[in-house]
Amino acid sequence: DAGVTQSPTHLIKTRGQQVTLRCSPKSGHDTVSWYQQALGQGPQFIFQYYEEEERQRGNFPDRFSGHQYPNYSSELNVNALLLGDSALYLCASSSVLAGVFTGELFFGEGSRLTVL
Amino acid sequence: SQQGEEDPQALSIQEGENATMNCSYKTSINNLQWYRQNSGRGLVHLILIRSNEREKHSGRLRVTLDTSKKSSSLLITASRAADTASYFCATAYQAGTALIFGKGTTLSVSS
Repeated sequence: DAGVTQSPTHLIKTRGQQVTLRCSPKSGHDTVSWYQQALGQGPQFIFQYYEEEERQRGNFPDRFSGHQYPNYSSELNVNALLLGDSALYLCASSSVLAGVFTGELFFGEGSRLTVL
Repeated sequence: SQQGEEDPQALSIQEGENATMNCSYKTSINNLQWYRQNSGRGLVHLILIRSNEREKHSGRLRVTLDTSKKSSSLLITASRAADTASYFCATAYQAGTALIFGKGTTLSVSS
């Protein structure tokens, strides 16, 4: 049973560029959440996707956008990169059963973004 | 913003000792969860406790929840070197809302 997979694992960009990160959820999961984790900090919630729509959003600017596809996979896009966007970006999947969120998140290993 | 605050920020113990980490949060919650992260990798779910529960056990883990004090504790008994990791508490205001994580406690277990 494949867990949550993320790509790429590492990438380096320069300020002003754009980046796309990808995530495939755990088999059977339909909800994807994205988190940003700066060095030495806890994960910060970016947004959550369910049924191809953004359900919830954290305190992140519009430069951060996402998408969920019919197969439940998801992308995180960041435009006009800033040095402060350097972080580990984590994707987590979960499931909604009979309209009830089950609670537990399954995380991928993350994509480490360095902005120079 | 971060809802939970773990205490202490760092903890160093010897193998075989118990490790206790605390988490305080600010608003009422539906559930509280604890996660573990090894060296900047993905987080792994350890245990979930709902707001109407006071204590849960899972193997060497014991979690308590005091909603009146808005606090939780994670006890790891008989620690092993492999328990060395960062531990985060996370809270959900309602079932289905986003999990908000604290800054974590870094546990170091030496043999």
